[in-house]
Amino acid sequence: DTEVTQTPKHLVMGMTNKKSLKCEQHMGHRAMYWYKQKAKKPPELMFVYSYEKLSINESVPSRFSPECPNSSLLNLHLHALQPEDSALYLCASSPFPTNQPQHFGDGTRLSIL
Amino acid sequence: DAKTTQPNSMESNEEEPVHLPCNHSTISGTDYIHWYRQLPSQGPEYVIHGLTSNVNNRMASLAIAEDRKSSTLILHRATLRDAAVYYCILRDTSGSRLTFGEGTQLTVNP
Repeated sequence: DTEVTQTPKHLVMGMTNKKSLKCEQHMGHRAMYWYKQKAKKPPELMFVYSYEKLSINESVPSRFSPECPNSSLLNLHLHALQPEDSALYLCASSPFPTNQPQHFGDGTRLSIL
Repeated sequence: DAKTTQPNSMESNEEEPVHLPCNHSTISGTDYIHWYRQLPSQGPEYVIHGLTSNVNNRMASLAIAEDRKSSTLILHRATLRDAAVYYCILRDTSGSRLTFGEGTQLTVNP
């Protein structure tokens, strides 16, 4: 059982669609993260939110738009994605945005048609 | 972040100990050594971390070389559920990034 909940588990969308990925944690963690993982590759960091503010953007294309409405919720808004954006998108949280273990969700598997 | 080197794959038998090595020759004094694992169809899972001294928890033990240029994750009795990709990651004291390397695919034979 994971304490970080991601929805939906699977998403198929066309290149012109707009969709959102959702991540929720109720552990009181103040740092939240988005990672992208291609098949048979390690996860790659996309964004870090620290105390509900964006602190790191790893040069992610603007078709990915993160949002942190409150300390428990993290969204990733998707628009005009490309087929190469098909991947597993992982959300994680940690008590604070420093050297603390991160708790991961099981991800949303995204397919772009 | 400093780089780590791990074998691509390792095999073990069920109920036997497993020693997963990691080399990190460019580690700095403020880098912690973290281990995560990723089971099939799941997100990564934190296993253990340490700075200088050996560490134990309910999942595993971490043995850190005296010069800190290498470390070993020890699973005391492997089970089939331990089959996963194991990632060794260096993380600065103040760092919020986790930079994953390629990891070691552990296969556990019944």
